[in-house]
Amino acid sequence: QSVLTQSPSASGTPGQRVTISCSGGSSNIGSNTVNWYQHLPGTAPKLLIYTNNQRPSGVPDRFSGSKSGTSASLAISGLQSEDEADYYCGAWDDSLNGVFGGGTKLTVL
Amino acid sequence: EVQLVQSGAEVKKPGESLKISCKGSEYSFSNYWIAWVRQMPGKGLEWMGIIYPGDSDTRYSPSFQGQVTISADNSINTAYLQWSSLKASDTAMYYCVRSNSLQLRLDYWGQGTLVTVSS
Repeated sequence: QSVLTQSPSASGTPGQRVTISCSGGSSNIGSNTVNWYQHLPGTAPKLLIYTNNQRPSGVPDRFSGSKSGTSASLAISGLQSEDEADYYCGAWDDSLNGVFGGGTKLTVL
Repeated sequence: EVQLVQSGAEVKKPGESLKISCKGSEYSFSNYWIAWVRQMPGKGLEWMGIIYPGDSDTRYSPSFQGQVTISADNSINTAYLQWSSLKASDTAMYYCVRSNSLQLRLDYWGQGTLVTVSS
């Protein structure tokens, strides 16, 4: 059971907008920043969004993040086949130190 | 370019000890945290712990406290993850990752080290 809660799966068709949510508590998302990671099979995970809504250099602006209270969301617009991957949210927890969500498997139909 | 290069895959027997490594390059190794993340087969990412090589400040996830030891050697820009007595349940991919703070901004990942523990 992960400290941060994500839906196990999400899907969309090419060109659609998809949202992945991440729910936590006051000791993690509520008091610290949220980061998102994309994990393609056979590769190392990649930082996609940091500090709630910032994109590292090289990440397309199709990816965006937001946070409100103890929840956060990752939105992917203009969905592409290469976006098919596992997505994880992560945050610092004041009691547990680092915590991740259980991951959301995104399927592009 | 910043790189974290991890040691190669390991196959061990239960009860054996193991130390895997993660060598950083092209950045000031002592000034960034290094975290270790586990991914068991078919499962998600799990936070194990983090070390600041500059002063060896180390934090462990409660789930891994006492089960592993995280260390670093600044002189050779290398972080380590070690076990004194492996179990079959330690079979997993292990990633080292750079972070510039304790806010889990894990910006550069090693390629992963696959550890297989089997009798």
